[in-house]
Amino acid sequence: SAVISQKPSRDICQRGTSLTIQCQVDSQVTMMFWYRQQPGQSLTLIATANQGSEATYESGFVIDKFPISRPNLTFSTLTVSNMSPEDSSIYLCSVLSPTSGNEQFFGPGTRLTVL
Amino acid sequence: GENVEQHPSTLSVQEGDSAVIKCTYSDSASNYFPWYKQELGKGPQLIIDIRSNVGEKKDQRIAVTLNKTAKHFSLHITETQPEDSAVYFCAASLYSGGGADGLTFGKGTHLIIQP
Repeated sequence: SAVISQKPSRDICQRGTSLTIQCQVDSQVTMMFWYRQQPGQSLTLIATANQGSEATYESGFVIDKFPISRPNLTFSTLTVSNMSPEDSSIYLCSVLSPTSGNEQFFGPGTRLTVL
Repeated sequence: GENVEQHPSTLSVQEGDSAVIKCTYSDSASNYFPWYKQELGKGPQLIIDIRSNVGEKKDQRIAVTLNKTAKHFSLHITETQPEDSAVYFCAASLYSGGGADGLTFGKGTHLIIQP
């Protein structure tokens, strides 16, 4: 399995500001995903981020609000822009296993609170 | 798009008894069905998965069954222990040779093991 780290682990932000979340993997992976988990809820896919191409966003999520970068095969960032209290969630990155190809492993998550 | 239903939302069992969590999915094209365990403050941990060409898979106390015709799959945990207490999520996705879609998750089951 891949070892995934995220920074920051948690943050408290003021509405109207932006936060960039980093995801680092210990091996090269082609496909990375970003998910949102609202308090006490399930996980919802935000976007798929493949190295070398634009991120693909799911219905209800747009690039202006959640810009994603994927500069290389071990790193990605998700920015939550112009935040409001409704953006308070846990944001998780996941990767496809570099060996099995369809197992997805998750990072520990970034807990975001917007005041 | 895919829709995954999960039941029950909460399950309380006596230590040593078995626990069963059930999920149904809507998209017959989905071919990969993982189960995740999430403990408080942590990211989801993959515990077992099954592909659509297999009807059952077992790993020690954990087993998953898949009925492709009925589009449902289940997680079975035998001889439950206190450390099994957590939230369990089922998920579905489409995996092809070139990669995989992001996961569609069920709403989760809070499993409580009573001592």
